[in-house]
Amino acid sequence: EVQLVESGGGLVKPGGSLRLSCAASGFTFSSYSMNWVRQAPGKGLEWVSSISSSSSYIYYADSVKGRFTISRDNAKNSLYLQMNSLRAEDTAVYYCARVGNSYYWYFDLWGRGTLVTVSS
Amino acid sequence: EIVLTQSPGTLSLSPGERATLSCRASQSVSSSYLAWYQQKPGQAPRLLIYGASSRATGIPDRFSGSGSGTDFTLTISRLEPEDFAVYYCQQYGSSPKSYTFGQGTKLEIK
Repeated sequence: EVQLVESGGGLVKPGGSLRLSCAASGFTFSSYSMNWVRQAPGKGLEWVSSISSSSSYIYYADSVKGRFTISRDNAKNSLYLQMNSLRAEDTAVYYCARVGNSYYWYFDLWGRGTLVTVSS
Repeated sequence: EIVLTQSPGTLSLSPGERATLSCRASQSVSSSYLAWYQQKPGQAPRLLIYGASSRATGIPDRFSGSGSGTDFTLTISRLEPEDFAVYYCQQYGSSPKSYTFGQGTKLEIK
């Protein structure tokens, strides 16, 4: 089955760190660009970060630049998000999402998400 | 940075009616880079439309997308009970490389 499964969310204090993982299965992970997208409780979707298939190109939203690091391990079919200096406004469900086509740049496969709560 | 504004914020309609959702960009967007998603409570978003007008795999033909430049529209020709959800438009920006979502339109049962 083609799927993405996130893990690693939880409760963390402001200023703390957390590492999210996304396990891919059912498709050739190394052929696709991947992204993290988050959704604060009751709010809309916000793109967080993007990484190309070979990790050559990495991009971040301004809101997380310098604090979050995206990476991937194609041998393990896994995507990661290292989150440091966490703030209350980082509280959200974090989804990993696959770029289905590098011409149209849409997200065609999403995980179910993992909840990150930043609170003292 | 391009801002996407969706309207209306909430749309109240009955099953069988036609729904028209708008997505307006603050500057011109390539049609190739405009997508629409549906999200139901507690679920991940689902891709409906890409390239402004191409339906994703498995999406019923009652969903259609149109538009160009700064104005894009998602139309649901005849609403089914399962269509009541939140809809987001999204664009890909090449300089700087980033993705932007609209704030969403909630389609609710009247």
